[in-house]
Amino acid sequence: DADVTQTPRNRITKTGKRIMLECSQTKGHDRMYWYRQDPGLGLRLIYYSFDVKDINKGEISDGYSVSRQAQAKFSLSLESAIPNQTALYFCATSDRIGDYGYTFGSGTRLTVV
Amino acid sequence: GENVEQHPSTLSVQEGDSAVIKCTYSDSASNYFPWYKQELGKRPQLIIDIRSNVGEKKDQRIAVTLNKTAKHFSLHITETQPEDSAVYFCAADRTGANNLFFGTGTRLTVIP
Repeated sequence: DADVTQTPRNRITKTGKRIMLECSQTKGHDRMYWYRQDPGLGLRLIYYSFDVKDINKGEISDGYSVSRQAQAKFSLSLESAIPNQTALYFCATSDRIGDYGYTFGSGTRLTVV
Repeated sequence: GENVEQHPSTLSVQEGDSAVIKCTYSDSASNYFPWYKQELGKRPQLIIDIRSNVGEKKDQRIAVTLNKTAKHFSLHITETQPEDSAVYFCAADRTGANNLFFGTGTRLTVIP
């Protein structure tokens, strides 16, 4: 399913570096989300956006920032990466009307060394 | 905020047996409860969902039950097959926010 595309798929970066993860979607959904997945902790919400002018913090936003460049694009930045940000990151989208399920991207595995 | 707890964290069953995964939630205003399946190395995918005006929903070998009074919901997989092996996540939606809060996942292994 290429409807939600994340780049890169894998990335290794050094502590202190700035890194951007990108997400684009062709589903026409207004709502976009960034989650991180850690073993034993499930999926935790970092940021979400209901439209281009709407950005909201999730439960674990510290150390992250986002940009909603267009309806179809939502980027996650780590301003100064640290090792405990090593995780699998997922972008997701949903429709605001009726369809409450999420469509997830394929994920970005980030390793901070 | 919403807190979703999921049990067990791991579950092994013999092929053909049933599997049950249970979740509880804390926010009585939550009204949407999806289940996601994540195969190894892949993205989570929605397999079934239920809304608060329904007590049970079935889709072939998969069913979900909801008890709003007790604030818990369960996933039932019957006649399990090796391809059911995956990590399963439950989630709950806080009314009006459309943000899903996820459980910590259950790794299901179906032994042939």
